[in-house]
Amino acid sequence: GAVVSQHPSWVICKSGTSVKIECRSLDFQATTMFWYRQFPKQSLMLMATSNEGSKATYEQGVEKDKFLINHASLTLSTLTVTSAHPEDSSFYICSVLAHMNTEAFFGQGTRLTVV
Amino acid sequence: LAKTTQPISMDSYEGQEVNITCSHNNIATNDYITWYQQFPSQGPRFIIQGYKTKVTNEVASLFIPADRKSSTLSLPRVSLSDTAVYYCLVEKSGAGNMLTFGGGTRLMVKP
Repeated sequence: GAVVSQHPSWVICKSGTSVKIECRSLDFQATTMFWYRQFPKQSLMLMATSNEGSKATYEQGVEKDKFLINHASLTLSTLTVTSAHPEDSSFYICSVLAHMNTEAFFGQGTRLTVV
Repeated sequence: LAKTTQPISMDSYEGQEVNITCSHNNIATNDYITWYQQFPSQGPRFIIQGYKTKVTNEVASLFIPADRKSSTLSLPRVSLSDTAVYYCLVEKSGAGNMLTFGGGTRLMVKP
């Protein structure tokens, strides 16, 4: 199956700063990647769909100006949390959907802590 | 309207068979049923997928009745390392579809 790598695995940042999270599809060209957010003891919530070469599609309630997504190549999507605040502290996970299949491959996740 | 309904949590002991049932009353004709496993601080991992009847792989079995309104994930002889959250998803086949996660079932395997 596809291998998806996220970087960093964890990050601590100060309130008001921006943090970039990378999601790489190591052995699969992904025209579409997905970004999820997961709060403690809760399920994964889809934030946005990242499309290579075009604008991301955001879910209702997710601020596109706060969570900047760039999908400049078939193997890399980035999520930038701008002006981070403590309430943005969460576990962020990206995924790739294998072509013509509903099996998804997930990154290991990035734990963001805003202090 | 929730797409899937699962028990919030289950307890088991090492060596036992665990069956987790998921209800998906509004499943559509072209929907597949997929189960994922998630350990703490890790991304979910694909376990098994099926459309109807029974599917078995090296990790689990998936039982789907004829009406497809429910499915049961069966984990044979669980070990402590099977302690995780298990998610049942119902999604259309084909590329480009995002996955919608329900609450999942938190399985605790005790020694």
